[in-house]
Amino acid sequence: EVQLVESGGGLVHPGGSLTLSCAASGFTFSSHDIHWVRQPTGEGLEWVSAIGTAGDPYYSDSVEGRFTISRENDKNSLYLQMNSLRAGDTAVYYCARGTYCTTTSCNNAPFDIWGQGTMVIVSS
Amino acid sequence: EIVLTQSPGTLSLSPGERATLSCRASQSVNSSSLAWYQQKPGQAPRLLISGASSRATGIPDRFSGSGSGTDFTLTISRLEPEDFAVYYCQQYGSSPPRGTFGQGTKVEIK
Repeated sequence: EVQLVESGGGLVHPGGSLTLSCAASGFTFSSHDIHWVRQPTGEGLEWVSAIGTAGDPYYSDSVEGRFTISRENDKNSLYLQMNSLRAGDTAVYYCARGTYCTTTSCNNAPFDIWGQGTMVIVSS
Repeated sequence: EIVLTQSPGTLSLSPGERATLSCRASQSVNSSSLAWYQQKPGQAPRLLISGASSRATGIPDRFSGSGSGTDFTLTISRLEPEDFAVYYCQQYGSSPPRGTFGQGTKVEIK
């Protein structure tokens, strides 16, 4: 079964740090861009970060300089290191599968597989 | 940066009725990069439409997408009880990889 499973969410104080993980199975993890998307309770979806198949990271303006995305292809795992957390970072965080790439080209694709999400609460 | 604006914010309809959801972009979007998602309470989003008009695997044909340039539409021809949910449009890209979402349209039972 093609699947993404997030973990690592929890309660953290403002200014603190947390690392989220996303475990992939059922597909060739190393061949896909993978994204983090977050959703505050009762609000819409916000794209947070992505990592390309070459390990190239991308961030939204709201998290640039505070969050670090990484991947370990041999473990089929994605990570999001979150530092200097703020109340505004409180949300459910989803990982999602994106574009498929071969060694020569990428086929632009939407987010077709999503995890169930992990909740991050930033509060004193 | 492209901003996607969805309308209406809430659509109140009865089962069996037709739903028409709009997504307007602040500048022209490549149709091949426009997607629609459905999200039910407590669940992750589910991909419905990619490339503005291509249904994802397993999506019923009562869902259809259309549009180009700055104006895109998701149509649900006859609402089923399980279709009452929030719908998001998205512009996605691979160079660089990212995805901008609209603010969502809630389709609720009238």
